[in-house]
Amino acid sequence: EPEVTQTPSHQVTQMGQEVILRCVPISNHLYFYWYRQILGQKVEFLVSFYNNEISEKSEIFDDQFSVERPDGSNFTLKIRSTKLEDSAMYFCASGGQGTGELFFGEGSRLTVL
Amino acid sequence: AQSVTQPDIHITVSEGASLELRCNYSYGATPYLFWYVQSPGQGLQLLLKYFSGDTLVQGIKGFEAEFKRSQSSFNLRKPSVHWSDAAEYFCAVGAGDTGRRALTFGSGTRLQVQP
Repeated sequence: EPEVTQTPSHQVTQMGQEVILRCVPISNHLYFYWYRQILGQKVEFLVSFYNNEISEKSEIFDDQFSVERPDGSNFTLKIRSTKLEDSAMYFCASGGQGTGELFFGEGSRLTVL
Repeated sequence: AQSVTQPDIHITVSEGASLELRCNYSYGATPYLFWYVQSPGQGLQLLLKYFSGDTLVQGIKGFEAEFKRSQSSFNLRKPSVHWSDAAEYFCAVGAGDTGRRALTFGSGTRLQVQP
């Protein structure tokens, strides 16, 4: 069964460092998303991406964040200068045309020290 | 703007007992509704979804949910809980018309199962 894969599963970084989280969405999907979940809290929407551009973003997704689909398979989330409060589990998701259903990866846990 | 409320933060049931997890949503049109389950340290797994048609939907692992438009609810049920059902459950709502719109999640309900 096709699945969304994310790397790394866990990353520890120092405050102020840049981090790139990687995702390989399901191959025939067209819509890509990043969500985050701070420990013990709800899953929050960050950004959606379609047709090589951002289609929606939340207030969390400020100038420190960026997304990219550098090739036909990867979808990345970059945090330019990490802060302590960026520590969270980051989930990538992808969706097909017209189904409304999202398929989530296992997540990348980011710890900022 | 769409929103989801899961009024129960934490529920404990005995193994073999029935379960109902509550979900209320706010959305202007007909919503697309989902229940996801998250085991500790794991990702989100889709249990079931409602797009249209029969308001009682069946999902995996013996779960079902009923869409009630008049109550803006989409409660999750299981007739007999197993110890392996202990996890966090998230209700989500989306526009779903093109798959482009993001899902909005509730704050989750943590389920504990007593032997």
